[in-house]
Amino acid sequence: QQQVKQSPQSLIVQKGGISIINCAYENTAFDYFPWYQQFPGKGPALLIAIRPDVSEKKEGRFTISFNKSAKQFSLHIMDSQPGDSATYFCAAIYQGGKLIFGQGTELSVKP
Amino acid sequence: SAVISQKPSRDICQRGTSLTIQCQVDSQVTMMFWYRQQPGQSLTLIATANQGSEATYESGFVIDKFPISRPNLTFSTLTVSNMSPEDSSIYLCSASAGGTEGADTQYFGPGTRLTVL
Repeated sequence: QQQVKQSPQSLIVQKGGISIINCAYENTAFDYFPWYQQFPGKGPALLIAIRPDVSEKKEGRFTISFNKSAKQFSLHIMDSQPGDSATYFCAAIYQGGKLIFGQGTELSVKP
Repeated sequence: SAVISQKPSRDICQRGTSLTIQCQVDSQVTMMFWYRQQPGQSLTLIATANQGSEATYESGFVIDKFPISRPNLTFSTLTVSNMSPEDSSIYLCSASAGGTEGADTQYFGPGTRLTVL
């Protein structure tokens, strides 16, 4: 039950396109869903996050869509740029701050 | 936001030895955590570092192997004991600042890349 499933494992998008990464969970006790961006050799950086009582949150080119009934959420990166090439992790918070991460998606944006 | 630094950034160690990793936060934080990330993989929570009390370990991780200290609200250490090649990984510290950002906003350090020969 303490799992977050992420897909796809890797994604190639052309510059200016939309990158979409999907996650699903089972545990309804999860109450906060952040996305992290990680560049090689660096720690994960918080990108955007959402609570389950909100269906969508947008920050710049990044949007989270959340479907509570389906227990699914996704990250959309609009107008994808080569600088967005990184590994993206969805995550969920449980038991007072513990993060459980999805498997990660390696995004490559081609110029 | 909280800025987190870790020392060392990387190390190569011999089997059977121990390494202590330090994590320093630039402000007082409520929660600190330690994670492990094997190359090309996701992050797995090792333990919650509790200030003034024993750390809380996740399933599969034990205090004898990964002793943790948290003497104050800005600093924590993780020791990897009696190392084997299977311990080769990236070890990351994270912290929740709390306050207006909330306990759920968690920031990560740059990680310590450990190689055990």
